[in-house]
Amino acid sequence: DAKTTQPPSMDCAEGRAANLPCNHSTISGNEYVYWYRQIHSQGPQYIIHGLKNNETNEMASLIITEDRKSSTLILPHATLRDTAVYYCIVGGNYGQNFVFGPGTRLSVLP
Amino acid sequence: NAGVTQTPKFQVLKTGQSMTLQCAQDMNHEYMSWYRQDPGMGLRLIHYSVGAGITDQGEVPNGYNVSRSTTEDFPLRLLSAAPSQTSVYFCASSYSWGAVGYTFGSGTRLTVV
Repeated sequence: DAKTTQPPSMDCAEGRAANLPCNHSTISGNEYVYWYRQIHSQGPQYIIHGLKNNETNEMASLIITEDRKSSTLILPHATLRDTAVYYCIVGGNYGQNFVFGPGTRLSVLP
Repeated sequence: NAGVTQTPKFQVLKTGQSMTLQCAQDMNHEYMSWYRQDPGMGLRLIHYSVGAGITDQGEVPNGYNVSRSTTEDFPLRLLSAAPSQTSVYFCASSYSWGAVGYTFGSGTRLTVV
């Protein structure tokens, strides 16, 4: 499975955009990029995923570089409730188990 | 409410005791899995199932057993609890193996003394 590298922690001011980077230089052509987050001690929550194109939903936007070796999750207007650990995962859309690394701990500051 | 239900939420065991962590989902999901999360760590896969009657080992299966007799239920059994199994356990499901949108339960916090 492709591995990902994320910064261990980041801060963001409330109301500003939070940009969380992820490196996945060994990603293969049919592997997707997935983002999950874990708020406090709750179970992880799916946020968004993408293959090549940029994606947007009601929670976030996902920007994938043209060479697909890195991506950025964007929370456009971070709130205190967005304080969580964010996991970037790469994998196929069938037949692979997701590997959750340590993720990025995002702290949204008032 | 549709979702993944885990019971119990908290449990304290003595070393050597056995117990079963329950996981049930009502979304007719084919794929179910168990993860453990130690403090400050990511989630590690223990066992998974791609359908009723089919189970397989994940990254850290030692000390745990599973079975999948129905689509809805995927219990995790600790045969002889050890302090190293102190952790938070999460059950997850999705409509197929590797599909997006894993739904996670709220977790079981287990302490082995």
